[in-house]
Amino acid sequence: DQQVKQNSPSLSVQEGRISILNCDYTNSMFDYFLWYKKYPAEGPTFLISISSIKDKNEDGRFTVFLNKSAKHLSLHIVPSQPGDSAVYFCAALPPPEGSNYKLTFGKGTLLTVNP
Amino acid sequence: DTGVSQNPRHKITKRGQNVTFRCDPISEHNRLYWYRQTLGQGPEFLTYFQNEAQLEKSRLLSDRFSAERPKGSFSTLEIQRTEQGDSAMYLCASSPQYFGPGTRLLVL
Repeated sequence: DQQVKQNSPSLSVQEGRISILNCDYTNSMFDYFLWYKKYPAEGPTFLISISSIKDKNEDGRFTVFLNKSAKHLSLHIVPSQPGDSAVYFCAALPPPEGSNYKLTFGKGTLLTVNP
Repeated sequence: DTGVSQNPRHKITKRGQNVTFRCDPISEHNRLYWYRQTLGQGPEFLTYFQNEAQLEKSRLLSDRFSAERPKGSFSTLEIQRTEQGDSAMYLCASSPQYFGPGTRLLVL
């Protein structure tokens, strides 16, 4: 049972345009969401996160939007750069109280930014 | 460097051999996690420590796998009698969102 879903295995965009990566979740207990970037043969690098009490969080070129009623979040990268080409993982956390506070990941989306 | 470190970065072994990986978390982080990632999948939870106590083990962690965190600092993950299906990247995370570079295991 995939509790965090990234339905697009890959996405290709032109340099300078917007990249939009999507993520859906099914477990309403999740209340904190994270995006990671991963290059081959490296560990995931934390990018940006959002708490369920917010609907938007911005950090430079990266913005995460959360629609709690739809159980949907998205990562926007503007403008996209060739160095952004990587696999992006969406992950979710339950509240820390009463849980082991472990991440549940989607399967990832391979982003390719073409020069 | 105050990030999460993992050793070795790569390990090639023959089926049936034992392997051990080490993780050094960020100092003073009391939560430490092990995950496994295979091709086309996101990282999957294996086990979790709070200080030296192992508080949860996934059903993915067969009897051939054992993890320790003896003094609540570094942790080791041992796989006994490795199988080809154990080939994966093994990731360690600290409290709970900062990952190390991973150990890529190939079982021949």
